[in-house]
Amino acid sequence: GDSVTQMEGPVTLSEEAFLTINCTYTATGYPSLFWYVQYPGEGLQLLLKATKADDKGSNKGFEATYRKETTSFHLEKGSVQVSDSAVYFCALSDSWKGNEKLTFGTGTRLTIIP
Amino acid sequence: GAVVSQHPSRVICKSGTSVKIECRSLDFQATTMFWYRQFPKKSLMLMATSNEGSKATYEQGVEKDKFLINHASLTLSTLTVTSAHPEDSSFYICSASHPYGYTFGSGTRLTVV
Repeated sequence: GDSVTQMEGPVTLSEEAFLTINCTYTATGYPSLFWYVQYPGEGLQLLLKATKADDKGSNKGFEATYRKETTSFHLEKGSVQVSDSAVYFCALSDSWKGNEKLTFGTGTRLTIIP
Repeated sequence: GAVVSQHPSRVICKSGTSVKIECRSLDFQATTMFWYRQFPKKSLMLMATSNEGSKATYEQGVEKDKFLINHASLTLSTLTVTSAHPEDSSFYICSASHPYGYTFGSGTRLTVV
């Protein structure tokens, strides 16, 4: 079945540091890939997505590129802020349209120190 | 747009009682909603997929008689934890589908004492 393997946390960085959270996947066919963020006490919010190979999703300074050859979708940000502290989930679905279930990675807790 | 409201956000109940969690799509119609359970320091696990007007599809290992799901309208799905036990204590999150993807509720922290 489909699966997502995500870099284990927690990750602690200083403000303005460079961030990478690794994510690889196993799936049949051509899934859509997502990064979700969960701020303390809140539900999940879509951070970015990519629906086909070589697509780059971006939002709020975060980026991730759909790499079919390495089955990866690593999350990056050039300069993190304290407000980026949250739990980040990599996920995949057979469809970006919302009618198929999401398969999540284990989540990576990110803490940014001023 | 595409707002989902989940209620309650926190609930404490006694062992053996039942608890109902509601998930509403406020500004769109959701033919499909998903219910997830989040374990401490672990990922979200899909419990079931609910489709409006039909029976929910449960994932393997999820007790359908314990976790009752009803999706009677295009804007409301409910999850009822029946005869709750302490091991049912968890964070439950719903997600509603729409043409542009998924929107998640803010979750319900259930504590069974």
